[in-house]
Amino acid sequence: SQTIHQWPATLVQPVGSPLSLECTVEGTSNPNLYWYRQAAGRGLQLLFYSVGIGQISSEVPQNLSASRPQDRQFILSSKKLLLSDSGFYLCAWTRTATIYNEQFFGPGTRLTVL
Amino acid sequence: KNQVEQSPQSLIILEGKNCTLQCNYTVSPFSNLRWYKQDTGRGPVSLTIMTFSENTKSNGRYTATLDADTKQSSLHITASQLSDSASYICVVNTGFQKLVFGTGTRLLVSP
Repeated sequence: SQTIHQWPATLVQPVGSPLSLECTVEGTSNPNLYWYRQAAGRGLQLLFYSVGIGQISSEVPQNLSASRPQDRQFILSSKKLLLSDSGFYLCAWTRTATIYNEQFFGPGTRLTVL
Repeated sequence: KNQVEQSPQSLIILEGKNCTLQCNYTVSPFSNLRWYKQDTGRGPVSLTIMTFSENTKSNGRYTATLDADTKQSSLHITASQLSDSASYICVVNTGFQKLVFGTGTRLLVSP
């Protein structure tokens, strides 16, 4: 069976500090991978998605970046965090070439920028 | 502009009661609509999916309906349980890789 992991689970960082969130998927190959942010009381906002190693598509201009160094690893980074980067970050995967596009979400990372 | 609107924003019901959550969408093209349940501090989990030709889909005590003509969907929860307390998110798939998320309905089931 497939599982998706995210870490850390919670993170408190000062403004201006760097960020690295990691997501890994087990039990599948060539997944499509996604990073979402969910601000308090808001819907999920797609930040990045990737259809393969080294392939990153950005949906929203921001001070965040994403990388996919391995098939089942997806990393969300920032060089300098802003207060507005606080939120709940979710990683998700889907099977490739699927019309139903069911997103399987990870447990999330709660980021608080002070 | 592709949008998914959900109502109510929040809802409190007594344990054992039924409730219905609404989702209206203005999304084109339309591939399918999915309802997710998101427990607090967790990732969403899919409950049901409906394509254009499906009117209703059930998953245990959860029943989703879809009216593609009026672009409306509902999620009906029967005989609510405390564990149903969560946010319910309506998501419309426009096609490959493009999803439009609603902001969710926050449900609290009270004992």
